Amino acid sequence: DAMVIQNPRYQVTQFGKPVTLSCSQTLNHNVMYWYQQKSSQAPKLLFHYYDKDFNNEADTPDNFQSRRPNTSFCFLDIRSPGLGDAAMYLCATSREVAGKSYNEQFFGPGTRLTVL
Amino acid sequence: AQKVTQAQTEISVVEKEDVTLDCVYETRDTTYYLFWYKQPPSGELVFLIRRNSFDEQNEISGRYSWNFQKSTSSFNFTITASQVVDSAVYFCALSRGDSNYQLIWGAGTKLIIKP
Repeated sequence: DAMVIQNPRYQVTQFGKPVTLSCSQTLNHNVMYWYQQKSSQAPKLLFHYYDKDFNNEADTPDNFQSRRPNTSFCFLDIRSPGLGDAAMYLCATSREVAGKSYNEQFFGPGTRLTVL
Repeated sequence: AQKVTQAQTEISVVEKEDVTLDCVYETRDTTYYLFWYKQPPSGELVFLIRRNSFDEQNEISGRYSWNFQKSTSSFNFTITASQVVDSAVYFCALSRGDSNYQLIWGAGTKLIIKP
């Protein structure tokens, strides 16, 4: 089945220790998104890739970076995690054609990050 | 400014009851899209429906139905004969007109179905 896969499902890191979360997709979608979701809140978009073009949200801290080496994979790097970065990180994909099609986003199961 | 309001923070009903989740939106765009997503306790967001602003027909999918009314800027979601498996947080979202493919999310409604 085509899907969005996130690894690991649970990640524990220490304060200030860099961590990388990964996302892969078999849907061949051209847009990939990273969201941060804290308890009892809506997902908050950090950035997205439209093909190879990186689009950062204005309020995403510099501490968060992303890489997309190919269509299938996307990584979220947190350079120096703080206690406030503990959250669920959700990867999503969508297939968008020229113009504003706003197709549905398909989400992975998420990675729950704990910062000690 | 664009905004999505889900005024019901939490709803609790007994199994087999019907329940309606409210979603009210604000936008100046003439073309926009509305979505509903379900987030069960496992955490994965599941797409339920997408509706564009030119299609005001109500949608029914099994026990789920959606009522889109532009006159009141609402896109409400009804579950008929609720089941315990319907317990989840439900999010309503609106396409963000100034930037591609991004969504304005409501705060979510936590739905608890008691056996």
